[in-house]
Amino acid sequence: AQKVTQAQTEISVVEKEDVTLDCVYETRDTTYYLFWYKQPPSGELVFLIRRNSFDEQNEISGRYSWNFQKSTSSFNFTITASQVVDSAVYFCALSDYNTDKLIFGTGTRLQVFP
Amino acid sequence: DAGITQSPRYKITETGRQVTLMCHQTWSHSYMFWYRQDLGHGLRLIYYSAAADITDKGEVPDGYVVSRSKTENFPLTLESATRSQTSVYFCATLRENYGYTFGSGTRLTVV
Repeated sequence: AQKVTQAQTEISVVEKEDVTLDCVYETRDTTYYLFWYKQPPSGELVFLIRRNSFDEQNEISGRYSWNFQKSTSSFNFTITASQVVDSAVYFCALSDYNTDKLIFGTGTRLQVFP
Repeated sequence: DAGITQSPRYKITETGRQVTLMCHQTWSHSYMFWYRQDLGHGLRLIYYSAAADITDKGEVPDGYVVSRSKTENFPLTLESATRSQTSVYFCATLRENYGYTFGSGTRLTVV
């Protein structure tokens, strides 16, 4: 069965600190996609990144970076120099290549204090 | 603008009543999904549809009914609402080569 684990329920940091959100997944599939979504206090789900299982290159987008390691089944998300606007719930998710169902972790609430 | 529209945004209903949550897309994406979000559970899949007239159960389908007579619409019906169905409901479509796009959500309260 597929599963996504986000062990960190809540993280609090002070502005300008770096923070890493952990994501560990389980799947028997060799082909799959991994995602990160941001849910700000307004409630909508904002797409951040999609990574397929054959692409293990790390990705950087501004202050955001993602570290995908198949050996440890992890897809961690780092925010560099955090800002108050980064305060949100962040979800990691896994999709099955064949059925396209998206399986979410339970989310990590990030609070960035000024 | 193209996108996904969920209605209503907020709904309060009484236990035992039937309520329908609407989801409309202006694209023609084949796949559509319904999720519910609850504290401590993240988002859980209720039902999904691969195309018009094709639907299948997700992780938590009990108490819900869906239909997909047209590609652009995917309504979710609670036949007899219970308090345990108080939740935030999200509809989503799958955009090929991109990923999933979610609606703004419907906050449903069953009293």
